[in-house]
Amino acid sequence: EDQVTQSPEALRLQEGESSSLNCSYTVSGLRGLFWYRQDPGKGPEFLFTLYSAGEEKEKERLKATLTKKESFLHITAPKPEDSATYLCAVQAAHSGAGSYQLTFGKGTKLSVIP
Amino acid sequence: SQTIHQWPATLVQPVGSPLSLECTVEGTSNPNLYWYRQAAGRGLQLLFYSVGIGQISSEVPQNLSASRPQDRQFILSSKKLLLSDSGFYLCAWSEGFTEAFFGQGTRLTVV
Repeated sequence: EDQVTQSPEALRLQEGESSSLNCSYTVSGLRGLFWYRQDPGKGPEFLFTLYSAGEEKEKERLKATLTKKESFLHITAPKPEDSATYLCAVQAAHSGAGSYQLTFGKGTKLSVIP
Repeated sequence: SQTIHQWPATLVQPVGSPLSLECTVEGTSNPNLYWYRQAAGRGLQLLFYSVGIGQISSEVPQNLSASRPQDRQFILSSKKLLLSDSGFYLCAWSEGFTEAFFGQGTRLTVV
C-alpha cells in the first residue's frame, strides 16, 4: 500500500526564517511526486511535480527536491503570504485500477509571522 | 487556458436527503476527472475517477455514486445522505498521468 507521511504537522516561522518541510513516501515504483498549496476553505493549488531522485524544481521562495525515499520543500525567507497548508502526494507506476490515483499526506500547516 | 468549475461552494442537507454536486472543466478535451473527499485531520481520499464518458471507477465502497454524462462534466450523487457523508468535496482533472488540478471545493454538512 502506498503511504505518504508529512512532517511536521504544523510549523511557525518568523518572516524571513528559512526552513524545510518533509514528505516521506513508500510506493511500489514512483511515477511522480506532487506538491500542492492549500489555503483554508479552498482547493489545493498545484506547485511542483518531481519524477526522479535528484530532481529539483523552484518557484519564487519555494524549492522542491526528491530522493528515493523523501521529498523536501524548502522555503527561503518566507513571507506571511506563504502561510498555508502544503500537501505532498505520490502516484505509483503500476497498471490497472487505481493507477491514476494520487495518495496524499495529511499536510504541513505553515504559519509565517510578520 | 483550462479552468474547472465546481458548485455549490457550501451545502447543508438533512440526513436522508439526496445530493448532487456538479463539476465542469473548460479548455481541454477528454480529461481524466476525479472526486476527492477531505475530512478534518485526514488526507485527501479519492472517491471516484473517470477516464471517459460513462466510465467510472470507484476507489472505496460508500453511499455515493458518480456519473460522467458529458466529456467535461462530472457529477457526484447520493440518494440518501448519511451524517458520515459530511466533508469537503473536491473535483479535479488531469491529462493522463500528470498533475491534477483542483476545483475550489464544496463544503457539505449533513444535519
